[in-house]
Amino acid sequence: DTGVSQDPRHKITKRGQNVTFRCDPISEHNRLYWYRQTLGQGPEFLTYFQNEAQLEKSRLLSDRFSAERPKGSFSTLEIQRTEQGDSAMYLCASSLWRGGVTDTQYFGPGTRLTVL
Amino acid sequence: EDKVVQSPLSLVVHEGDTVTLNCSYEVTNFRSLLWYKQEKKAPTFLFMLTSSGIEKKSGRLSSILDKKELFSILNITATQTGDSAVYLCAVLQGAQKLVFGQGTRLTINP
Repeated sequence: DTGVSQDPRHKITKRGQNVTFRCDPISEHNRLYWYRQTLGQGPEFLTYFQNEAQLEKSRLLSDRFSAERPKGSFSTLEIQRTEQGDSAMYLCASSLWRGGVTDTQYFGPGTRLTVL
Repeated sequence: EDKVVQSPLSLVVHEGDTVTLNCSYEVTNFRSLLWYKQEKKAPTFLFMLTSSGIEKKSGRLSSILDKKELFSILNITATQTGDSAVYLCAVLQGAQKLVFGQGTRLTINP
């Protein structure tokens, strides 16, 4: 399967614990995005990378959230001191940016986080 | 504030019916509008619309964009139970992030 993959698919944690999610984009894609989706809502943008550079962060991304893409391939999203309000589906997407040419974002299956 | 509004939020029809889903938007730095289908997992891409008045078609699905009136519609003809899903409309803002609507939950009854 050459699509976007995410791991784990489900995570249950207790409030106050740290969690880390991984995303592997489509191999030739240089852009990687993180979105969060709560029940009954559309996804909301969190942050995105072009290669290893994090180019934009949403104000939704509090200082408890950190994302990295160290070698411009896979990315990790860490949430520290989780709160019940962090419970959501975390979606990763990737696209190919060729300087002015808009390409489609393709989504992974998501990681569903439940904070007890 | 940037926003994408979809209507209706929920729709229940019988197999074989034709449905029209609506999406209106007010988003700065508009680049294109996309439709996705979501069935309990990742949104899967349907269409990307960049120019007004040009219909995109894929089988029983079609979509068109009106950049003057700031809306798009997604049509599904001869619906099947497999079309049951949440349909998401999103605007690509500044060639980077997607601004999504709330989604329309479509249920096709046999």
